[in-house]
Amino acid sequence: AQSVTQPDIHITVSEGASLELRCNYSYGATPYLFWYVQSPGQGLQLLLKYFSGDTLVQGIKGFEAEFKRSQSSFNLRKPSVHWSDAAEYFCAVGGNNAGNMLTFGGGTRLMVKP
Amino acid sequence: NAGVTQTPKFRILKIGQSMTLQCTQDMNHNYMYWYRQDPGMGLKLIYYSVGAGITDKGEVPNGYNVSRSTTEDFPLRLELAAPSQTSVYFCASSFRAGQNQPQHFGDGTRLSIL
Repeated sequence: AQSVTQPDIHITVSEGASLELRCNYSYGATPYLFWYVQSPGQGLQLLLKYFSGDTLVQGIKGFEAEFKRSQSSFNLRKPSVHWSDAAEYFCAVGGNNAGNMLTFGGGTRLMVKP
Repeated sequence: NAGVTQTPKFRILKIGQSMTLQCTQDMNHNYMYWYRQDPGMGLKLIYYSVGAGITDKGEVPNGYNVSRSTTEDFPLRLELAAPSQTSVYFCASSFRAGQNQPQHFGDGTRLSIL
């Protein structure tokens, strides 16, 4: 069965500092990996996705993520955080299953200090 | 372009009441999903549908029912509301083609059962 672990429930960074959110997955074959962001009271918005090719993927809002098969990780990064990045971030894994279903991690809540 | 629309946005129910959460999408997506989101737990799949007339259970289907009579609509029904069903409910949709298709989310329905 596939699973996703986001080890950090809460992270606080200063505005302008770099950010890395961790995501570890468990999946038997090549996974399809996604990062979503959720602002308060909103639905989930796709930041980026990986399914093959270059292991460093670029997303919206200046985010990037790197797929590392040897570590079963797909960490999200941003070089300089803005106050508007404060939100909850979810990593998700999908695969070759009927219905294109995803399994989500528990989420990481990001707070940004001025 | 509306995307995925959920109604209502908020609702308070009494124990034992029933209600239907509405979800409609205008992107001609074949696949649709219902999730519930509880604090620290990420999103859990309740039911999904791969097309009109076809539905299947997800990870946490007990206490819920769905139907899919059209491509656009995928309502979720709670027959006998229980306090454990207090949650935020999200509807999502995706294209059928390819396992790497991202899911697109509505803004959610916040449901409290007292």
